[in-house]
Amino acid sequence: QVQLQESGPGLVEPSGTLSLTCIVSGDSINSHHWWSWIRQLPGQGLDWLGEIYHTGLTHYQPSLRSRLTISFDMATNSFSLTLKSVTATDTAVYYCARGNGRQWLARDSWGQGALVTVSS
Amino acid sequence: DIQLTQSPSSLSASIGDSVSITCRASQGISSYLAWYQQKPGKAPTLLIYSASTLQSGVPPRFSGSGSGTDFTLTISSLQPEDFATYYCQQSNNYPITFGQGTRLEIK
Repeated sequence: QVQLQESGPGLVEPSGTLSLTCIVSGDSINSHHWWSWIRQLPGQGLDWLGEIYHTGLTHYQPSLRSRLTISFDMATNSFSLTLKSVTATDTAVYYCARGNGRQWLARDSWGQGALVTVSS
Repeated sequence: DIQLTQSPSSLSASIGDSVSITCRASQGISSYLAWYQQKPGKAPTLLIYSASTLQSGVPPRFSGSGSGTDFTLTISSLQPEDFATYYCQQSNNYPITFGQGTRLEIK
């Protein structure tokens, strides 16, 4: 059974960089799935941020493309999110999820979520 | 971007009722439509993928239908654990998008 776990600082200063890592167990990053980041602003719905395939191919939310980088580390079977120049509007719960290539790219497994607050 | 519009935004129902939530896409998405349930403070969980395929372990009282632009999630015989927020999501085109959510409350 695949499991995903987010890790990273819960507090980031404005204009700083938000970095999160998602450790995957029970599946390989090198499989035919997409590895996604999704966030949820306080009291709001779900927003897809971007995702990466094992070939290194990435797709990003256009509005975040200039600030966002998603990468993976095969050695640790993990993938990461880096969001630069953050503001208070980036305060959210950040989820990592697997887009299952055999299930029409549905997000079939999710991490528990990591609350990141942008504040000084 | 493909916009997904869910209706209603909120819904009140009683235990044992049957309810339906619709999701309309701003352009055709074939059957690349998934439904998720989210409870407060928890990550979403997948209910339905490819518009109508029940995810393993999900009770059969959940069902999905539709293709193209119009989709429906139906929950028959509501149970206490079904009161939650439901989202649709398309993965036919980038950027991937979600509906705004439908909050299902106990009447």
